[in-house]
Amino acid sequence: KAGVTQTPRYLIKTRGQQVTLSCSPISGHRSVSWYQQTPGQGLQFLFEYFSETQRNKGNFPGRFSGRQFSNSRSEMNVSTLELGDSALYLCASSLPGEDTQYFGPGTRLTVL
Amino acid sequence: ELKVEQNPLFLSMQEGKNYTIYCNYSTTSDRLYWYRQDPGKSLESLFVLLSNGAVKQEGRLMASLDTKARLSTLHITAAVHDLSATYFCAVPSGTYKYIFGTGTRLKVLA
Repeated sequence: KAGVTQTPRYLIKTRGQQVTLSCSPISGHRSVSWYQQTPGQGLQFLFEYFSETQRNKGNFPGRFSGRQFSNSRSEMNVSTLELGDSALYLCASSLPGEDTQYFGPGTRLTVL
Repeated sequence: ELKVEQNPLFLSMQEGKNYTIYCNYSTTSDRLYWYRQDPGKSLESLFVLLSNGAVKQEGRLMASLDTKARLSTLHITAAVHDLSATYFCAVPSGTYKYIFGTGTRLKVLA
């Protein structure tokens, strides 16, 4: 059974640009959550999607947005990148009604 | 606002020794999760604790949850080098949102 996949794995952008990250959950998983991990702030929740609906979001500015498609794949977008957006972005998927989250390998974003 | 704290933040221990990592959280929750992260890798689910008094064990790791004290412990028995990693606890905050602890970086020395 394939795990959670994220593309791209590494990304280098410059300030002011925008970026789109993709996450494909495990087959059958309909919930997808996104997290930002930095050395200073640790792991922070960005948002969670289920059946194309955002059910919760963390305390991030509006530059961070996401969406989920009918096949449960999810994308997150960061516009007007700032140096502080450099981080490992992780997505996690889970089955409906189950507590265990399965994390993808992450996308490491570097903003120059 | 829910806060989740772990201690210690760093732990260097000798192989064969026992130690405990603590996870405290600030608001009521009857569920708690433990994850492991190897350097440069993603998170791997270790334990899901779903009620007060829950205890789960896997190999040299044992996790427990005391919802009244808002405390979970991850106990390491007879540590081996392969356990070197960063360990995170996470607590649900409302629905479909999880707050992670600061992480405990464990290094097991031969």
